[in-house]
Amino acid sequence: AQSVTQLDSQVPVFEEAPVELRCNYSSSVSVYLFWYVQYPNQGLQLLLKYLSGSTLVKGINGFEAEFNKSQTSFHLRKPSVHISDTAEYFCAVTRSSGAGSYQLTFGKGTKLSVIP
Amino acid sequence: EAGVAQSPRYKIIEKRQSVAFWCNPISGHATLYWYQQILGQGPKLLIQFQNNGVVDDSQLPKDRFSAERLKGVDSTLKIQPAKLEDSAVYLCASSFLFGTTSTDTQYFGPGTRLTVL
Repeated sequence: AQSVTQLDSQVPVFEEAPVELRCNYSSSVSVYLFWYVQYPNQGLQLLLKYLSGSTLVKGINGFEAEFNKSQTSFHLRKPSVHISDTAEYFCAVTRSSGAGSYQLTFGKGTKLSVIP
Repeated sequence: EAGVAQSPRYKIIEKRQSVAFWCNPISGHATLYWYQQILGQGPKLLIQFQNNGVVDDSQLPKDRFSAERLKGVDSTLKIQPAKLEDSAVYLCASSFLFGTTSTDTQYFGPGTRLTVL
């Protein structure tokens, strides 16, 4: 069964500094990986996804993530954060429901706080 | 295009009372999902619909939770009776494809924050 571990529950970082949010997954089969962002009092919004091909995936708002199969990781990075990036970030992996459809399994989330 | 709509946004009830949440997915989306997000955790899938049929409800506590998607569009999630541990944000999501592809993107609504006292 697939599972996702987000290693940091909270990450404080100063404005304009780089940030990395860590995500490791476990799966015995090929996976598709996603990062979602949740702003306060809002639903989840897709940042980026890895399906196949290039291991470096670029998403919205200047974020990118690198798929590393040997380390079973999919860490999210941004070279320079803004105050508006303050939010909670969720890593997710697809899993088969066994009924011919696919569902997402989410990590517990990482709260990014950008300090002015 | 309009996003996933949910109502109400907030609900406070006493334990043992009943509550219902409503979701309107993005137009044309065949697949609809209900998630429960407890504070400090990631969303957990409760039930997945394909048009008006249930694909997976293995994590739905069926003794108190029920959901329906009449006519394959809007959906309602009900809790009866509510317990303290049901306090959470209930998220609805939808996706365009039939749900048989692992690459399908899910679009989430703003959620309903339920507090059970």
